[in-house]
Amino acid sequence: DGGITQSPKYLFRKEGQNVTLSCEQNLNHDAMYWYRQDPGQGLRLIYYSQIVNDFQKGDIAEGYSVSREKKESFPLTVTSAQKNPTAFYLCASREQGKGTEAFFGQGTRLTVV
Amino acid sequence: GDSVTQMEGPVTLSEEAFLTINCTYTATGYPSLFWYVQYPGEGLQLLLKATKADDKGSNKGFEATYRKETTSFHLEKGSVQVSDSAVYFCALSESNQGAQKLVFGQGTRLTINP
Repeated sequence: DGGITQSPKYLFRKEGQNVTLSCEQNLNHDAMYWYRQDPGQGLRLIYYSQIVNDFQKGDIAEGYSVSREKKESFPLTVTSAQKNPTAFYLCASREQGKGTEAFFGQGTRLTVV
Repeated sequence: GDSVTQMEGPVTLSEEAFLTINCTYTATGYPSLFWYVQYPGEGLQLLLKATKADDKGSNKGFEATYRKETTSFHLEKGSVQVSDSAVYFCALSESNQGAQKLVFGQGTRLTINP
């Protein structure tokens, strides 16, 4: 089945550690996105990528990093510089073009312990 | 930059009531507009969309009309069911040919009581 897969579903991290969240899609979409969701704040854009080997900062990129070495993969690293990393992280992909639908993964809930 | 504003939640209704969730946007050009729905512990799913002024998106009894003159895309349903309980997000996609950001509102939590 075609779709977008995030792993793991739950992740625990000690303070001061970096952690990488996985996002893989087999929809052949060019564009991929990472969002952070906090209660009452909706979705905030962290990074997005239009093509392989290129990506742009979103509204809250500080403390995060990404790579786009393959079309189907867009991993997000939460670094120790992120002051408040506990949140629900959502990855999405979509075709290029006007009005195309974004497909979302099931999300990763990251908790700093 | 572009932005989306939704009505504050949470919204609680009785089954078979009429639903309206307001959404207004600020954007340059002619964005595409979307409503997404999120069930507990899951990602978002597209509910409906509209890509130009006066278009009406519809799905599962929900409707929204792209109103350029009022920069609005309000979600409506004539008779809600308990299964409609979820969080609803209004979103826009920029209209420029380059990087196409997806911008979301803050979400509206809807609870339908039997």
